[in-house]
Amino acid sequence: ELKVEQNPLFLSMQEGKNYTIYCNYSTTSDRLYWYRQDPGKSLESLFVLLSNGAVKQEGRLMASLDTKARLSTLHITAAVHDLSATYFCAVDLSGAGSYQLTFGKGTKLSVIP
Amino acid sequence: EPEVTQTPSHQVTQMGQEVILRCVPISNHLYFYWYRQILGQKVEFLVSFYNNEISEKSEIFDDQFSVERPDGSNFTLKIRSTKLEDSAMYFCASIPMPGVFFIFEQYFGPGTRLTVT
Repeated sequence: ELKVEQNPLFLSMQEGKNYTIYCNYSTTSDRLYWYRQDPGKSLESLFVLLSNGAVKQEGRLMASLDTKARLSTLHITAAVHDLSATYFCAVDLSGAGSYQLTFGKGTKLSVIP
Repeated sequence: EPEVTQTPSHQVTQMGQEVILRCVPISNHLYFYWYRQILGQKVEFLVSFYNNEISEKSEIFDDQFSVERPDGSNFTLKIRSTKLEDSAMYFCASIPMPGVFFIFEQYFGPGTRLTVT
């Protein structure tokens, strides 16, 4: 059974600070996804990481993937209040036919002015 | 920009009643999914659908659940006899043929909040 674990689950940080969210998964997969969810809203795709060593950046967010360690990180640089949301990582099983996603529990990020 | 749409946005039903949640995936997408999210919890996979049949389903997707693509656009999730624990946000998602142009990401609809009383 594929398990996806995120930590921390809750993160309160001051504006301007840096922090990293970690995502570990239990089974071989070459594809890792990061989504953002605002309260009561849907899931917004942030990054799709398709291979070992993949790094993607968008604004103050940077995601990386180490498939050998089964680890992805989402790094936040100089946080701003607008980044407050819940961030989910998800994995789909390589070789599985239907590409369904297994999600972590999410990291609820609060950026304090 | 094309998007996945879902109706209704909120459905309140009594325990034991049947509900149908509707989704219109993006028009050229081929794989369709239902996920659910109980309030404050993680998103859980229910079922995937491809080529007019179920491709994969989770343990949650028991005999009370069914999916259908009744025409070329709609994709529905039916719960035959709702239980209190079915209360959740239900998300529909879709994807083009996975891997084509390296597109794997799933596009999620806005969700239907189901409240069972």
